[in-house]
Amino acid sequence: AQKVTQAQTEISVVEKEDVTLDCVYETRDTTYYLFWYKQPPSGELVFLIRRNSFDEQNEISGRYSWNFQKSTSSFNFTITASQVVDSAVYFCALSEAGDSNYQLIWGAGTKLIIKP
Amino acid sequence: DVKVTQSSRYLVKRTGEKVFLECVQDMDHENMFWYRQDPGLGLRLIYFSYDVKMKEKGDIPEGYSVSREKKERFSLILESASTNQTSMYLCASSTHRQTANTGELFFGEGSRLTVL
Repeated sequence: AQKVTQAQTEISVVEKEDVTLDCVYETRDTTYYLFWYKQPPSGELVFLIRRNSFDEQNEISGRYSWNFQKSTSSFNFTITASQVVDSAVYFCALSEAGDSNYQLIWGAGTKLIIKP
Repeated sequence: DVKVTQSSRYLVKRTGEKVFLECVQDMDHENMFWYRQDPGLGLRLIYFSYDVKMKEKGDIPEGYSVSREKKERFSLILESASTNQTSMYLCASSTHRQTANTGELFFGEGSRLTVL
C-alpha cells in the first residue's frame, strides 16, 4: 500500500541554521511522483517541487534543495541558512501513475519553527 | 496571478446545521478538490471533480456532498454538521483530469469550521 511518512512532527532551529525535513515513502508502482508543499501561517499550501521516479537528480533552488534516493525510498528537503519566513508546515506527498483515482497520498506534515 | 478563493475563513456552526463551503478558481482549471486537514493526519481527500456536474469520492466522503454547477465553482456541503467535522477545509484546483495527481495543485487559504 502507498504511504508517506514524515516522522518529524515539529522542528525548531535558530535562524541561519541548516535544517533537513525527512520524507519516506512506500509504493509498489515503478512510476510515481513525489511532491513538497509549504503551508505558511496564512493557510494556503504552496507547491515547491515535483519529482518523478525516473529522475533521481538532486534539485537545488536557492536555499532549498531536495535529495531523492530510491534506494532508501526517501525524498528529503533541506533548507540552508534558514530564515524566519521559512517557518511553516511542510508536506510531502506521493502519487502513483497507475492510480485510476488520481489521488495524492499526503504525509502528516512537519511544522518548522525558525527562531530569530 | 492565479487564485483559489474560499468564501469563509472561519465559521462556527451548531450540530445539525447545514453548512456550505464555497470555492472559486479563476484559472479555468478542470479539476477541483476538497480536502480536510487535521493535526497529525495530513490532508485527506473528501471529494474531487474533474468536470462540471462530475464528482468522485475521495477517502472520507461520508457526511459530505459536493456540487459543481459551473466550472469555476466547487461547493462542499455538510448536510447535518457534527462535532467530528470540526476541521480545516482546503479547496484546491489543477489543470486537467489526466494530471490530477501529477500536476501542481493550487490551494485556497482554507476554511476553519468549528461545530459546537
